[in-house]
Amino acid sequence: NAGVTQTPKFRILKIGQSMTLQCAQDMNHNYMYWYRQDPGMGLKLIYYSVGAGITDKGEVPNGYNVSRSTTEDFPLRLELAAPSQTSVYFCASSWAGIGELFFGEGSRLTVL
Amino acid sequence: DAKTTQPNSMESNEEEPVHLPCNHSTISGTDYIHWYRQLPSQGPEYVIHGLTSNVNNRMASLAIAEDRKSSTLILHRATLRDAAVYYCIPYTGNQFYFGTGTSLTVIP
Repeated sequence: NAGVTQTPKFRILKIGQSMTLQCAQDMNHNYMYWYRQDPGMGLKLIYYSVGAGITDKGEVPNGYNVSRSTTEDFPLRLELAAPSQTSVYFCASSWAGIGELFFGEGSRLTVL
Repeated sequence: DAKTTQPNSMESNEEEPVHLPCNHSTISGTDYIHWYRQLPSQGPEYVIHGLTSNVNNRMASLAIAEDRKSSTLILHRATLRDAAVYYCIPYTGNQFYFGTGTSLTVIP
């Protein structure tokens, strides 16, 4: 069972570069989430989606964009990377939003 | 959004029970209470969730106060593998807000 798959696991970006973090789930979950976790801190919600074509902002959306064209995929786009976006990014999914959240293994991003 | 208050850290001796408290006084009547934990260098993992009644599963028990303003996660016999940050999360408005959690240290 693949569950939630995130790619890449590690990435180093230069300031001003752009990239997309990929997230895919094979559990037919309608709800998907993107979080970031800075060292020694809790998780902060960036964006979430309650179904294909529907996305909404979380606590810290600035500097990011998302799309949800299919149930399976929920990519996170970073435009004009900044050092403040150095973090570990987690994607998660759940059924109907009230059940168990399943997390990916995380993507560690460093912006230099 | 429902706000939570958890102790920053707690300690427990191995093989003893652990009671992790959480205050969520602004929770609404339909918000489920979720608990997750995060082991060092790993992503969060689900522990348990409930609405009004106490809940048990293979990992833990969840005791929810009658007024739902607080809950307690109970680990019946702490092991070294239970050393983690534990997050109490009222699920509200399609969003899970993790907060800062309680860092549990298990002493051998």
